[in-house]
Amino acid sequence: DARVTQTPRHKVTEMGQEVTMRCQPILGHNTVFWYRQTMMQGLELLAYFRNRAPLDDSGMPKDRFSAEMPDATLATLKIQPSEPRDSAVYFCASGWGRAEAFFGQGTRLTVV
Amino acid sequence: GQSLEQPSEVTAVEGAIVQINCTYQTSGFYGLSWYQQHDGGAPTFLSYNALDGLEETGRFSSFLSRSDSYGYLLLQELQMKDSASYFCADYNAGNMLTFGGGTRLMVKP
Repeated sequence: DARVTQTPRHKVTEMGQEVTMRCQPILGHNTVFWYRQTMMQGLELLAYFRNRAPLDDSGMPKDRFSAEMPDATLATLKIQPSEPRDSAVYFCASGWGRAEAFFGQGTRLTVV
Repeated sequence: GQSLEQPSEVTAVEGAIVQINCTYQTSGFYGLSWYQQHDGGAPTFLSYNALDGLEETGRFSSFLSRSDSYGYLLLQELQMKDSASYFCADYNAGNMLTFGGGTRLMVKP
């Protein structure tokens, strides 16, 4: 049963700390998305990779956020330093470059 | 930029039919997708329209009019388990998926 795996599922951290979220896309998928979901903003696209190359990160605050794909089985999203306004659910999704994307269960981040 | 508008909330009764509308303003538009998300869960893919017209998948149908930049999701024979948030998303030339704000559907007995 192929699925997108995200770790950790929950993270509580103090303001100013570094946060790293990880995603294992479905084997064979060539596109990976990072989304942030809050009640106010819905699902915001933060970053998008195709064949491990970053194609769009215009939705990501560049001063504190970074997204990478060190290899085909791992995508990471880092926040440094974290702020309370970063509290949200962060979703990773992967696909074959078509309209159907498969989402992980998300990382619920709370910054206090 | 990409912009998709949908109602924030819709309420319907069990067994009824409900339509969730989506209007979009996007560049490089390829088609419109629909996703379902239950509270505490992840979005899951429901349907995709690349061409004008109606696509039917069981109780769910999705419609697209490219000339009107408009689409909708139609849910028939509503069940309590259909209570969830529904998102339209545009799929564009960059193979990106950009989501609307979501419509919260509440199904009442």
